[in-house]
Amino acid sequence: AQSVSQHNHHVILSEAASLELGCNYSYGGTVNLFWYVQYPGQHLQLLLKYFSGDPLVKGIKGFEAEFIKSKFSFNLRKPSVQWSDTAEYFCAVTLNRDDKIIFGKGTRLHILP
Amino acid sequence: GAVVSQHPSRVICKSGTSVKIECRSLDFQATTMFWYRQFPKKSLMLMATSNEGSKATYEQGVEKDKFLINHASLTLSTLTVTSAHPEDSSFYICSARPSGRMSNEQFFGPGTRLTVL
Repeated sequence: AQSVSQHNHHVILSEAASLELGCNYSYGGTVNLFWYVQYPGQHLQLLLKYFSGDPLVKGIKGFEAEFIKSKFSFNLRKPSVQWSDTAEYFCAVTLNRDDKIIFGKGTRLHILP
Repeated sequence: GAVVSQHPSRVICKSGTSVKIECRSLDFQATTMFWYRQFPKKSLMLMATSNEGSKATYEQGVEKDKFLINHASLTLSTLTVTSAHPEDSSFYICSARPSGRMSNEQFFGPGTRLTVL
């Protein structure tokens, strides 16, 4: 069965530190990849997405992610985090053949001021 | 644009009662909506895909008679938790995919926290 793995369950960083959250998926076919963010008390929002083309995708709020097909990975990065980035981050995959989103278990990011 | 609302945001009910949760796409039409359940410290679990004008498609292990889904219009889907029990307590989230778009991007509602006493 298809699955999405997020390696870090809880990450604590200081402001201005660099961030990389790992995401791997298990599916050999064409995929669409997403990172969603859930700020405290708010609903899920799309950070960025990859459908095709340039594997380096830039999203909102300075986030980017790189799709590496050979590694089945779609890691999320930000060069300098801010306190307001404290949230839960979900990696997700949809398969081209249907619309179901498969989510990872999420990574809780806590930024120290 | 692409706002999805859920009502209620929080509900507490007694065991054995039924609870209805509404999911609305406010500024777009959605032929397809999705219902998820989110457990503490766990991922979102897709429960069912709701299709306007037809029966919902349930994921394996989800009881269709327990979680009734109705997609009455292109902007409204409802999830009814029938004869709720404490183990049904959870955070329920819906999403909607705009009709007519090529991409399969979904927009999420804010969620409904259900507590069954």
